[in-house]
Amino acid sequence: AQSVTQLGSHVSVSEGALVLLRCNYSSSVPPYLFWYVQYPNQGLQLLLKYTTGATLVKGINGFEAEFKKSETSFHLTKPSAHMSDAAEYFCAVSDRGGKLIFGQGTELSVKP
Amino acid sequence: DSGVTQTPKHLITATGQRVTLRCSPRSGDLSVYWYQQSLDQGLQFLIQYYNGEERAKGNILERFSAQQFPDLHSELNLSSLELGDSALYFCASSVEGARYNEQFFGPGTRLTVL
Repeated sequence: AQSVTQLGSHVSVSEGALVLLRCNYSSSVPPYLFWYVQYPNQGLQLLLKYTTGATLVKGINGFEAEFKKSETSFHLTKPSAHMSDAAEYFCAVSDRGGKLIFGQGTELSVKP
Repeated sequence: DSGVTQTPKHLITATGQRVTLRCSPRSGDLSVYWYQQSLDQGLQFLIQYYNGEERAKGNILERFSAQQFPDLHSELNLSSLELGDSALYFCASSVEGARYNEQFFGPGTRLTVL
């Protein structure tokens, strides 16, 4: 069975600082991994996804994530945080049928 | 705008009642998923349809049911509502329902049971 663990339910960074949101997964098959962002009172928007191929995945809004099989991780990073990045971020793995299994979410706060 | 629409946006009802949530997928998407988001359970998969047929079931209560119609829109029916059913309900769609397909989420329906 697949599962996802996001370390840290809340992360706070200063504007311009590095953003690092951690995600570890468990999967009995080669994983397909996703990062979604949820702004207040909105639905989820896909930031990036890993299916196969290049392990460093670039997404929208300057975010990227690196798939590390040996560490079963898929951490999300952004070199320089903007105020507009404040939101909740969800890591997810898809199972055989395509349904998404989400982590608990990490709320990102950006201080001016 | 993801292209997925959900109605209504907000729903307030009483315990014991029945409600229907509606979802229209993106044009061309054949698969529809329903998810529930609550503070204590997080984001949980409920059920998936593909081209009118049920494909997968998750932690969906027996009081809940869903269907996908020939025009591919989907409805989630919640009956005998309890206080604990208060949550945000999301619909998502994807092209084929395959593992590698990204899912596009609607804005959600916020259900409040009083």
